[in-house]
Amino acid sequence: EVQLVESGGGWIQPGGSLRLSCAASGFIVSSNYMNWVRQAPGKGLEWVSVIYSGGTTNSADSVKGRFTLSRDNSKNTVFLQMNNLRVEDTAVYYCARGWGDGYNPLYFDSWGQGTLVTVSS
Amino acid sequence: QSVLTQPPSVSAAPGQKVTISCSGSTSNIGTHPVSWYRQLPGTAPKLLIYDNNKRPSGIPDRFSGSKSGTSATLGITGLQTGDEADYYCGTWDSSLSAVLFGGGTKLTVL
Repeated sequence: EVQLVESGGGWIQPGGSLRLSCAASGFIVSSNYMNWVRQAPGKGLEWVSVIYSGGTTNSADSVKGRFTLSRDNSKNTVFLQMNNLRVEDTAVYYCARGWGDGYNPLYFDSWGQGTLVTVSS
Repeated sequence: QSVLTQPPSVSAAPGQKVTISCSGSTSNIGTHPVSWYRQLPGTAPKLLIYDNNKRPSGIPDRFSGSKSGTSATLGITGLQTGDEADYYCGTWDSSLSAVLFGGGTKLTVL
């Protein structure tokens, strides 16, 4: 059974850093497009970042230069390092397994339960 | 405001059919396949449709998807009260090099 479990969320002041983790089971993260998608309170879904099977990454303009996606193949876990956090980064962050056309993620078939990140002074 | 445009809300009676539209442009829906997700309150999104009209295992055939040009549509037949949720469309955008989601549509089953 495919399962994704996020952790690492919490409260942080603006300008601070947090690292989110996404532990996967039932499949190998390094063979898939692993993504983070966030949802601000009462708002819609916003794609954040992807790490491709080859290890390269891509991110939304809103987080480029501040968020970094990586993975530990030995732990079958993906990480989202979030630096210089802003109030507008407050959201539930979901880890999601993506599938695509060999170039880009086109849809997400498995999602974690999400972890809440609150950026506030 | 989202690049992919969905109606904020739709409603229909139990047993009836409803459609939810998703309008985009040539750089997203016009070029790439569309997916649809359902999000029940307080839960993670769930994939309903991928590649415009394919259903993952376990999704009943009450749910259908279609695409024409730069627009896509999700159809739900035999509405149930349990279908009340937020529905999102999604696709890749070549110009932005990013995944896009629509703003979401809240379905109310009256």
